Amino acid sequence: EPEVTQTPSHQVTQMGQEVILRCVPISNHLYFYWYRQILGQKVEFLVSFYNNEISEKSEIFDDQFSVERPDGSNFTLKIRSTKLEDSAMYFCASSARGRGYTFGSGTRLTVV
Amino acid sequence: AQTVTQSQPEMSVQEAETVTLSCTYDTSESDYYLFWYKQPPSRQMILVIRQEAYKQQNATENRFSVNFQKAAKSFSLKISDSQLGDAAMYFCAYRSPRANFGNEKLTFGTGTRLTIIP
Repeated sequence: EPEVTQTPSHQVTQMGQEVILRCVPISNHLYFYWYRQILGQKVEFLVSFYNNEISEKSEIFDDQFSVERPDGSNFTLKIRSTKLEDSAMYFCASSARGRGYTFGSGTRLTVV
Repeated sequence: AQTVTQSQPEMSVQEAETVTLSCTYDTSESDYYLFWYKQPPSRQMILVIRQEAYKQQNATENRFSVNFQKAAKSFSLKISDSQLGDAAMYFCAYRSPRANFGNEKLTFGTGTRLTIIP
């Protein structure tokens, strides 16, 4: 069964550093997403991406965040200057129109 | 905006018994999708079951079934013959079929932690 692949599985970074979280969505999916889950809390939508542009973003997705699809397969989330409160599990997901919606296994980001 | 409410932060059930997890949602749309996701300690998000709002028949997947009450905006998950491997956080989620706008984001509830008692 096709999978959404995320790397790395765990990343530790110092406050103020830039991080890039990487995802390889399912190849025939058209919509790509990033979600965040702070430990013990619910999963929150960050951003959706379609047709090479952001289609919607949440209040959380401020100027410190950016997304990119640099080639035909990768989908990245960049946090420019990490804060302690950015520590969370970050999930990438992809979906086909009106159909399957698949999550990756997540990247645990720890900001110290 | 759509909201999803899970009023049971924690539930427990004896192994082999049946348990029902509650979920209500608020929307003004007539067509949408509803999901239950399982999140074990590994924190991976695993799809348990999916329901299309236009379908009157309740979805079932082996031991998992839903009770979808569209008028009441209720979407509960029933787990029959509970097993130790069912222990996890369970999230209810809503998805708007706004594919034409390039976004099919999910809105999640706060989750229910299910414990299975051996």
